[in-house]
This record gives sequence, C-alpha cells and structure tokens, in this order.
Amino acid sequence: EVQLVESGGGLVQPGGSLRLSCAASGFTFSTYSMNWVRQAPGKGLEWVSYISSSSSTIYYADSVKGRFTISRDNAQNSLYLQMNSLRDEDTAVYYCARDAPTSGSYFPDYWGQGTLVTVSS
Amino acid sequence: QSALTQPRSVSGSPGQSVTISCTGTSSDVGGYNYVSWYQQHPGKAPKLMIYDVSKRPSGVPDRFSGSKSGNTASLTISGLQAEDEADYYCCSYAGSYIYVFGTGTKVTVL
Repeated sequence: EVQLVESGGGLVQPGGSLRLSCAASGFTFSTYSMNWVRQAPGKGLEWVSYISSSSSTIYYADSVKGRFTISRDNAQNSLYLQMNSLRDEDTAVYYCARDAPTSGSYFPDYWGQGTLVTVSS
Repeated sequence: QSALTQPRSVSGSPGQSVTISCTGTSSDVGGYNYVSWYQQHPGKAPKLMIYDVSKRPSGVPDRFSGSKSGNTASLTISGLQAEDEADYYCCSYAGSYIYVFGTGTKVTVL
C-alpha cells in the first residue's frame, strides 16, 4: 500500500524557516518523481514544487521561487521542502504527492495527509 | 500561472447527474491531454478520480467520467450518491513539470 507521511509543520514567525519531510513507503520511491502541493485554510490547492526521481529536474511555482528548496534522499525514501523567508501567505497544509506512475503522463496520484504550516507573529 | 476556473458549487438529488466545468487556456487545459480530477472530503487528502482527461484509476466507480473540449474540461458524476458530497478540483499539466489546479467546486447532494 502506498503511504506518504508528512511531518515538520508548525508555527513559525514571518521571515523564519521550516523544513518539511515526507516519508514514503509501499512503492519504489527512487523511481518516482514527487511534488509538494499546498492548501491555504478554506482555499484551493496550489502546486508548489516538483522533483524528478534522480533530482536532476526541479521546478518551483513563482510564488515560492528563491525561498523554497525541494530535495530528496532516495536511500532514506524521503522527500523534503526547505522553506525560508516565510510569509503570512505561506500558511497552509502542505501535501507531498507522488507523480504519475506512467511515463508520458502527468498527474499527482497518491497524496499524504498533509502537515500544517502556520506563519504568524 | 493562474488557477483554472471552476463553478463555486453544484448540487443535485440522489440519482441525478451533475457536471463540473474546468476552464483554462491553450497553455494548460487546451494544450495537453493531461487533465486530472480530485475528490476531497473535509479534513482529508485529495483522492485521484480521473486522469488523462477521461481515464479512471482502479477502484473509482464508473459513475465518474471526464471529458475535454478546447480549453474546458468537465467531470460528470452520474447516479449521484450521498458519499459523493465533497470538494472537487481539476488539475492540468502546463508544461515544464508545472501543474495548475482549479479553484474548486463544492458538490452538494440534496
């Protein structure tokens, strides 16, 4: 069974930093691209970042470019999101989501339960 | 990247059909056959319901179907059931490993 478990969320002051983790199990993590997607309270989903299976390809949404860094450790079956210079508008539940299992198709398929990040003074 | 446009809410009685639209541009919905749909119950993670415009993952009831015409994709729920009451989001690939999500639609079963 595919499982994705996020951790590392919490309360942080504006301008602060936080590192999120996502532990993967139930599939061969090293062969899948991964994403971070966030959802502000009461709002819709927003794609944040993508990383390929080998970490050779990385993309960010314009809203987080230059402040967030996605990374992964295939030996540890883990995905990370380093978030710096946090702003009030970064307050959201952050989900890690596995990318499409088939090459030539593009969609997040399995999602974790999310971790809440609150940016407030 | 701007969010795809969805109606805020749709409703229907049990057994009826409802359709949710998802309008984008030629840079996302219109440019790729990679539209997916997600169901989200309150406090839960999104669940994949449709991918590649009209394909259903294993385990998703065939009451759920997807289509696309030009820059607009649609999700139809036939034979509406109480457990279908949830928020639904469309998602489109927009090139360069970027995804754009819809604004979300609340489906109410009357």
